[in-house]
Amino acid sequence: DADVTQTPRNRITKTGKRIMLECSQTKGHDRMYWYRQDPGLGLQLIYYSFDVKDINKGEISDGYSVSRQAQAKFSLSLESAIPNQTALYFCATSERGAFTDTQYFGPGTRLTVL
Amino acid sequence: RKEVEQDPGPFNVPEGATVAFNCTYSNSASQSFFWYRQDCRKEPKLLMSVYSSGNEDGRFTAQLNRASQYISLLIRDSKLSDSATYLCVVNVGGGSYIPTFGRGTSLIVHP
Repeated sequence: DADVTQTPRNRITKTGKRIMLECSQTKGHDRMYWYRQDPGLGLQLIYYSFDVKDINKGEISDGYSVSRQAQAKFSLSLESAIPNQTALYFCATSERGAFTDTQYFGPGTRLTVL
Repeated sequence: RKEVEQDPGPFNVPEGATVAFNCTYSNSASQSFFWYRQDCRKEPKLLMSVYSSGNEDGRFTAQLNRASQYISLLIRDSKLSDSATYLCVVNVGGGSYIPTFGRGTSLIVHP
């Protein structure tokens, strides 16, 4: 079984709808992250969490919110989806440790907003 | 100026060739450095960390030049299976180690 899972894997929705993307991990890592990837733009950090009570905005948090329900679960919500949020979304985890912050990614969620 | 910059390529090379990519970073306080590989529409996966003294893993060699603020990745004896996008990742910020990704360099290895 995969260590980092994301659901759904693909989603098509309409403008204005509320969408939740879910991420679960079995790696036992404290740190979790949400990224979006657009063609040619690389990965952009949306939100990150270093433990259950710690939530931080990334570089592009506007229009998104998150919830860290447990150490293993980190959800991303789009309260009112818009077409320019069409992208590939990745969840990632990492283990706390100086200089060893390797990221482990989920398989991604492909979101299309019409 | 973006914090982490890479030449997007594509680098188009024949099998067996040696190819090198560079990645520059702007924050001199950056602490740790990585190369990730991403296949088309798949998740990025760690290829190798980059240590101050340089490090090698089979056909792959990574170097760090702190004075000039860049890291490099050298691939020797390229294989068709090396075709992918290579992402440079730099952890910046005092103690928080928030990763910053470059946009990636595309490599195409042809027969």
